[in-house]
Amino acid sequence: AQSVTQLDSQVPVFEEAPVELRCNYSSSVSVYLFWYVQYPNQGLQLLLKYLSGSTLVESINGFEAEFNKSQTSFHLRKPSVHISDTAEFFCAVSDRFQKLVFGTGTRLLVSP
Amino acid sequence: EPEVTQTPSHQVTQMGQEVILRCVPISNHLYFYWYRQILGQKVEFLVSFYNNEISEKSEIFDDQFSVERPDGSNFTLKIRSTKLEDSAMYFCASRRESSGPYEQYFGPGTRLTVT
Repeated sequence: AQSVTQLDSQVPVFEEAPVELRCNYSSSVSVYLFWYVQYPNQGLQLLLKYLSGSTLVESINGFEAEFNKSQTSFHLRKPSVHISDTAEFFCAVSDRFQKLVFGTGTRLLVSP
Repeated sequence: EPEVTQTPSHQVTQMGQEVILRCVPISNHLYFYWYRQILGQKVEFLVSFYNNEISEKSEIFDDQFSVERPDGSNFTLKIRSTKLEDSAMYFCASRRESSGPYEQYFGPGTRLTVT
């Protein structure tokens, strides 16, 4: 069975500081990895995904994540956060059957 | 940009009542999903639906739950006799048919409160 662990339930950070949100997964088969973001009172939006190929994937708003098979991790990073990045971030894994298995989420709190 | 829509945004019902949550997936998508998120917990998969039948369901999706695509646009989740523990945010998602694991697009959710 697949599972996702997000150890940090909340990450407070100051504006323009770097941030890393941790995600570790467990799977016995090939995996596809995703980061979804949920802004206040909104649905889940795909931030970025790893399907195959380059282990470093980037989003259009400056986030990036690196797939590390040996460490079974898919940590999310941003070198300089904005107030508007305040949101809940969910790491998810799926197999070829497409069901998404989510982590418990990490709330990113950016303050001035 | 096309998006998944869900109605209502908030539904309050009494224990034992039936509820129907409605979703309109993106029009050219063929795979449909329901997930739920109990307050303070993670998002959990309920069911996937393709070609007018359930393709996978979780252990949460018991006989009290059913899904239907009654026409060419709506995708519904019915809970026959709601329990207090059914209170959660319910998300609908859809995916276009593909040979690869393309992303699922999520709706804004319906908050179900069972009293």
